[in-house]
Amino acid sequence: GAVVSQHPSWVICKSGTSVKIECRSLDFQATTMFWYRQFPKQSLMLMATSNEGSKATYEQGVEKDKFLINHASLTLSTLTVTSAHPEDSSFYICSARWGQGYEQYFGPGTRLTVT
Amino acid sequence: AQSVTQLGSHVSVSEGALVLLRCNYSSSVPPYLFWYVQYPNQGLQLLLKYTSAATLVKGINGFEAEFKKSETSFHLTKPSAHMSDAAEYFCAVSGPGGNRLAFGKGNQVVVIP
Repeated sequence: GAVVSQHPSWVICKSGTSVKIECRSLDFQATTMFWYRQFPKQSLMLMATSNEGSKATYEQGVEKDKFLINHASLTLSTLTVTSAHPEDSSFYICSARWGQGYEQYFGPGTRLTVT
Repeated sequence: AQSVTQLGSHVSVSEGALVLLRCNYSSSVPPYLFWYVQYPNQGLQLLLKYTSAATLVKGINGFEAEFKKSETSFHLTKPSAHMSDAAEYFCAVSGPGGNRLAFGKGNQVVVIP
């Protein structure tokens, strides 16, 4: 149980285009989803927290207009990187949890390369 | 705010030897502590967690960790390393409730045959 998927697993896009990454909880209802960014050989940095049906809460330094997060249902959250640039290339990982539970379940990640 | 310190980005261990990964935390509230493992190009898998119950926590794959409040530590150990233990290991801390996990920089474990 507690499986989280991400799609796509990797994507290459041209500079200036937008890319959408999906995060789904497959066997539970995720009341809260988290988006992280991981640079090569570095740790995960929390980008934002989203609760179903409400606006995401972004961490300091994360551009809200660049990284659009939508948590429209209890099983799906999307991260859209708008007007992507090479510096946005990274590994994006989502996690999900249900109710007031503390444990987060992580997706397999999406590798974004912007050329 | 919470933070975690993991020293030594790369850790080499011989197959069959003890694995010891150190984690020290800083937290202004009673912490929840986690160890995760990440294999190349994959997400994170939870190894074990401390949530204010027993201070010695046993996890998957033979790993365990001990919460020591006086030392603000949560070191991860495994008595005998296996080749399959080669991976990146992250320690993480959150406040009660598990929001806003703060991760350490990770330890890349290499197992030498």
